[in-house]
Amino acid sequence: QVQLVQSGAEVKKPGASVKVSCKTYGYTFTTHYIQWVRQAPGQGLEWMGIINPNDGTKSYAQQLQGRIIITGDKSTSTVYMELSSLRSEDTAVYYCARDGAVLRESYCDYWGQGTLVTVSS
Amino acid sequence: AIQLTQSPSSLSASVGDRVTITCRASQGISTALAWYQQKPGKAPKLLIYDASSLESGVPSRFSGSGSGTDFTLTISGLQTEDSASYYCQHFKNYPHAFGQGTRLEIK
Repeated sequence: QVQLVQSGAEVKKPGASVKVSCKTYGYTFTTHYIQWVRQAPGQGLEWMGIINPNDGTKSYAQQLQGRIIITGDKSTSTVYMELSSLRSEDTAVYYCARDGAVLRESYCDYWGQGTLVTVSS
Repeated sequence: AIQLTQSPSSLSASVGDRVTITCRASQGISTALAWYQQKPGKAPKLLIYDASSLESGVPSRFSGSGSGTDFTLTISGLQTEDSASYYCQHFKNYPHAFGQGTRLEIK
């Protein structure tokens, strides 16, 4: 069955970087895009970016451009999201989610469990 | 970038009620819209995709409608377990923005 399993919680200092992993199971890795979404405490959902694991093409939210890198590893069916120059406003739960349609951008049908990233001095 | 505006931001209703949440896009998105339910401490759950298609396993009391710029999520026959936050998201182009959310409380 389809599963997305994310890496564990992280605590980082301002200015540092964090890399969150999302290992996928139960489907062909290269046929579904993966999105990243975050949620600050008590706030709504914020779209961060997306990757096509088949060819590595990606798109990022404009407000994160220059600080975010999303990569995919076909050998391990894992997607990574790295965010640099962290600030307190980046404290949030980070989710990866699979696009439901095959090889096109679409809705998120399966979600990871979330990874809490805390940025604090 | 396409923006989504949800209303209301919160509402309170009783078991058995029919509730409607709206989502308005700043420009036409055809039917490239999904609705999610999120309970505290949990990941969002897909309810409706392509504006009106019910995700497998989701109770039939949930329904979606609309196209272009105006969309609705309707819950007919509210249950206690429907207490949650609800979000719309478009996937017409990048960025795949979310609405700001609607918090539903059961009286």
